[in-house]
Amino acid sequence: DSGVTQTPKHLITATGQRVTLRCSPRSGDLSVYWYQQSLDQGLQFLIQYYNGEERAKGNILERFSAQQFPDLHSELNLSSLELGDSALYFCASSVDPDRVGEQFFGPGTRLTVL
Amino acid sequence: SQQGEEDPQALSIQEGENATMNCSYKTSINNLQWYRQNSGRGLVHLILIRSNEREKHSGRLRVTLDTSKKSSSLLITASRAADTASYFCATAHNTDKLIFGTGTRLQVFP
Repeated sequence: DSGVTQTPKHLITATGQRVTLRCSPRSGDLSVYWYQQSLDQGLQFLIQYYNGEERAKGNILERFSAQQFPDLHSELNLSSLELGDSALYFCASSVDPDRVGEQFFGPGTRLTVL
Repeated sequence: SQQGEEDPQALSIQEGENATMNCSYKTSINNLQWYRQNSGRGLVHLILIRSNEREKHSGRLRVTLDTSKKSSSLLITASRAADTASYFCATAHNTDKLIFGTGTRLQVFP
């Protein structure tokens, strides 16, 4: 158990809908990262927050947004969902603001868009 | 692309044998990390090797880094069925990028 929690575990929804994925980092970790893992794209970095502020951006679509709250939990919002958004979404956390150290991954949310 | 590339893509061995996976990358790195992912689960950090280190051990794991060849290898000795998983290398560039490779799928048969 990494100490990172994610909810929900599974999410099935329809195209055009909006969903929110939630992540709680390990106690003491200030950085939260979001990743998307699909069969054809591999593990793609989406976005990082550090202590409530956006720190780095990766291959995140404009339809996606995220935020980190004062209690350091984070939410990833996916809107106008498309079939291609079906994937595993992982949250990871670390102590450091720099995206180069060890990261602790949550169990993931499996999103299926029908 | 700066992405690390693992080789082989898939590897099948018998319990007790050693498994070796390789990772190559293109630009200079701060460190290189190896992660394991059991099917459909989150990634688990295995080991981090800094750019000024050449070899590191952790239990049955041995990682080497050759910065002149821009490559790393992960050796799992005396493999077990429980080692069955996908293994990813992740290369850390400067202070703001950690890029994951495409992974090696390891199957260890009892």
